[in-house]
Amino acid sequence: DAGVIQSPRHEVTEMGQEVTLRCKPISGHNSLFWYRQTMMRGLELLIYFNNNVPIDDSGMPEDRFSAKMPNASFSTLKIQPSEPRDSAVYFCASSEWQHSNQPQHFGDGTRLSIL
Amino acid sequence: ELKVEQNPLFLSMQEGKNYTIYCNYSTTSDRLYWYRQDPGKSLESLFVLLSNGAVKQEGRLMASLDTKARLSTLHITAAVHDLSATYFCAVDALLTGGGNKLTFGTGTQLKVEL
Repeated sequence: DAGVIQSPRHEVTEMGQEVTLRCKPISGHNSLFWYRQTMMRGLELLIYFNNNVPIDDSGMPEDRFSAKMPNASFSTLKIQPSEPRDSAVYFCASSEWQHSNQPQHFGDGTRLSIL
Repeated sequence: ELKVEQNPLFLSMQEGKNYTIYCNYSTTSDRLYWYRQDPGKSLESLFVLLSNGAVKQEGRLMASLDTKARLSTLHITAAVHDLSATYFCAVDALLTGGGNKLTFGTGTQLKVEL
């Protein structure tokens, strides 16, 4: 059974460039979460979706960040324009909404470096 | 705003010793999760605690939940080097829009010395 799949695993780009991170949740999971992890701030929830609909985006740091979930099997997190302070590991996680006693399952993350 | 605090932040212990990691949270919740993260890796679910008094055990790790005290503990028995990792607790807040939102603690970086 495939887990949460994220791509790319690593991304290095220059400041000002657009960055797109991708996530495929576990089949059958209808909640999807985007997190950011840094040494300074720990794990932060950026946004989450239920049944492809954004429910809470209060963690999105700025308008430069946007996320979409066009269907149940795909989501993107976009940063435009990127800045060095966006450097972090970005995790996608999914879970079964109706069974909130189940844990969220995390992908391997995208390690993003903005130069 | 839900706050989740873990202590200690760093823990260095010898193999064979016992120790407990504490997770305190600020608002009512009856769902708490423990995760493990190895350096440069993803988060792996360890335990799901769903009610007051819940206790789960897996190998040398045992987790418990006291919802009245808003406290969960992760107890390590006879530590081995392979347990070296960062451990996170996460508290569940049910949302009016549906689904659940986790707030993570700061993490406890555990190093078990050979």
